[in-house]
Amino acid sequence: EPEVTQTPSHQVTQMGQEVILRCVPISNHLYFYWYRQILGQKVEFLVSFYNNEISEKSEIFDDQFSVERPDGSNFTLKIRSTKLEDSAMYFCASSGVLSGGADTITDTQYFGPGTRLTVL
Amino acid sequence: AQSVTQLGSHVSVSEGALVLLRCNYSSSVPPYLFWYVQYPNQGLQLLLKYTSAATLVKGINGFEAEFKKSETSFHLTKPSAHMSDAAEYFCAVSDEWGNTPLVFGKGTRLSVIA
Repeated sequence: EPEVTQTPSHQVTQMGQEVILRCVPISNHLYFYWYRQILGQKVEFLVSFYNNEISEKSEIFDDQFSVERPDGSNFTLKIRSTKLEDSAMYFCASSGVLSGGADTITDTQYFGPGTRLTVL
Repeated sequence: AQSVTQLGSHVSVSEGALVLLRCNYSSSVPPYLFWYVQYPNQGLQLLLKYTSAATLVKGINGFEAEFKKSETSFHLTKPSAHMSDAAEYFCAVSDEWGNTPLVFGKGTRLSVIA
């Protein structure tokens, strides 16, 4: 069964450093998302991406964050200058498949296993 | 704006006992509701979803949930707990079906005691 994969599983970085979290969505999906979960808190939406551009973003997704789909398979989240409060589990998700009639089938969001980011 | 409240961050049941995980939502429009499960070191997996077709929704692994508009609830149940059900369970809401952001609850960790 197709699945979303994420690398690395755990990333440790120093405050102020740049990090890139990588995701490989399910191959025929059209919509991509990043969510995060700070320890003990809710899973929160960060950003969604469709047709090579951001379709929606939350207040959390400020200028420190950026997303990119550099090739046909990867979807990345970059944090330019990490802060202590960026420490969290980051989840990637994908959804949406074109039907035979070129309409998008709205469907379940499939999540990856997450990357635990620790900022020291 | 939507929100989700999951009562109980940790629920413990005996093997074979009823599982009841509570979820209440707030939404200004008819909601779409989801339950996801996360096993250790794995991603969030969809258990079931409510999309207004039927108020009682059956999902995978014997779980079901009932949408009660009057109570703004979408509680998850399973008649008989199995050891393999031990996991973290997340309730989520969206105001549109499909490719839109989900709003999650804080999650409930289910422990199953032999």
